Amino acid sequence: GAVVSQHPSWVICKSGTSVKIECRSLDFQATTMFWYRQFPKQSLMLMATSNEGSKATYEQGVEKDKFLINHASLTLSTLTVTSAHPEDSSFYICSPLLPGREETQYFGPGTRLLVL
Amino acid sequence: AQSVTQLDSHVSVSEGTPVLLRCNYSSSYSPSLFWYVQHPNKGLQLLLKYTSAATLVKGINGFEAEFKKSETSFHLTKPSAHMSDAAEYFCVVSITSGTYKYIFGTGTRLKVLA
Repeated sequence: GAVVSQHPSWVICKSGTSVKIECRSLDFQATTMFWYRQFPKQSLMLMATSNEGSKATYEQGVEKDKFLINHASLTLSTLTVTSAHPEDSSFYICSPLLPGREETQYFGPGTRLLVL
Repeated sequence: AQSVTQLDSHVSVSEGTPVLLRCNYSSSYSPSLFWYVQHPNKGLQLLLKYTSAATLVKGINGFEAEFKKSETSFHLTKPSAHMSDAAEYFCVVSITSGTYKYIFGTGTRLKVLA
């Protein structure tokens, strides 16, 4: 159980374009989704928390208009990096919360974004 | 406030020798503590967790950790390192008052020498 997929696994894009990252929970339904960003050789930093059907809650310093999160269903959440710039290059990881096992988070395999 | 400190950013061991990755925590409540492993360009995999049951927790791949309240520690150990253990390890404490959240340590990179 607790299988999480992310797509794409890595993406290269030009500066100014938008990139959408999908996160799917394959064998469970998640009402809550966490999105993290990880810079090289650093720890994971929580970007935002989303609940299905409602607006995401962003951490301090994270631009909500730049990182659009949609959690329209219990098995799919998307993170869109709008007008990406080189400083947005990072490893993005989703983590859906498993109902009934809220004390444990499972993580997607991550999406590496490189903005040229 | 909850926080977690990983005392070593890098640890090198020889294959077949014991592994010790250190983690100290700070928590106003009875904490839930976790160790995750991350191999290069991969997501995080749960190694083990402590959630107020047995203080000695056994995880996957031969790892275990002991919760010591008096020392506010949750160190990760393995009797004999394998080359495949080379990875980044994160100690995590969860916050469950108000909104649920994970607090990550800064990570320890484990290098295993042949």
